[in-house]
Amino acid sequence: GENVEQHPSTLSVQEGDSAVIKCTYSDSASNYFPWYKQELGKRPQLIIDIRSNVGEKKDQRIAVTLNKTAKHFSLHITETQPEDSAVYFCAAEDSGTYKYIFGTGTRLKVLA
Amino acid sequence: NAGVTQTPKFQVLKTGQSMTLQCAQDMNHNSMYWYRQDPGMGLRLIYYSASEGTTDKGEVPNGYNVSRLNKREFSLRLESAAPSQTSVYFCASSGGFQETQYFGPGTRLLVL
Repeated sequence: GENVEQHPSTLSVQEGDSAVIKCTYSDSASNYFPWYKQELGKRPQLIIDIRSNVGEKKDQRIAVTLNKTAKHFSLHITETQPEDSAVYFCAAEDSGTYKYIFGTGTRLKVLA
Repeated sequence: NAGVTQTPKFQVLKTGQSMTLQCAQDMNHNSMYWYRQDPGMGLRLIYYSASEGTTDKGEVPNGYNVSRLNKREFSLRLESAAPSQTSVYFCASSGGFQETQYFGPGTRLLVL
């Protein structure tokens, strides 16, 4: 089955700097990769996703890149703001099922 | 639309007691999921239902049972609660394969 590894587990950046979170997956047949943001005490919420037929997707300050050959995908946040502070989870959809396999999360702290 | 709703929001149980966590969605989604999230940890899949009438085990099914009551509702039952089941439980739903999962607000369960 699918396995997802996420790094780093914690990340501190200065306000205005960029943040990058990386995930690797094991099943080359996986084709859907969502990213979730979870604020303290709240539910996870989708911030961006990517399908295997594209290599990059952007939404304002957030972008995701996918390298299917290397089986890794990354979240890029530019011009970070204090409200970006949260835990971010990557996931890969297990091929042939309807399940997501989640990474272990990255706690992002944006320092003012 | 309310999206995904869960009841109760918070519950305290004694070891050995039973309870059912309720989840409902109004997005006409086919697939529904139950996750648990322990403090500082990621999301682990307990059970899921790819479509009405089907249920399958996830990563951590022991000690739990589920019922897909109809397309809208998916319940999670703890028959004999144990302290190890203290956690936050999230229900999610999605349209199906390669579709976004939307999470409910969560149920905080404390087992004494």
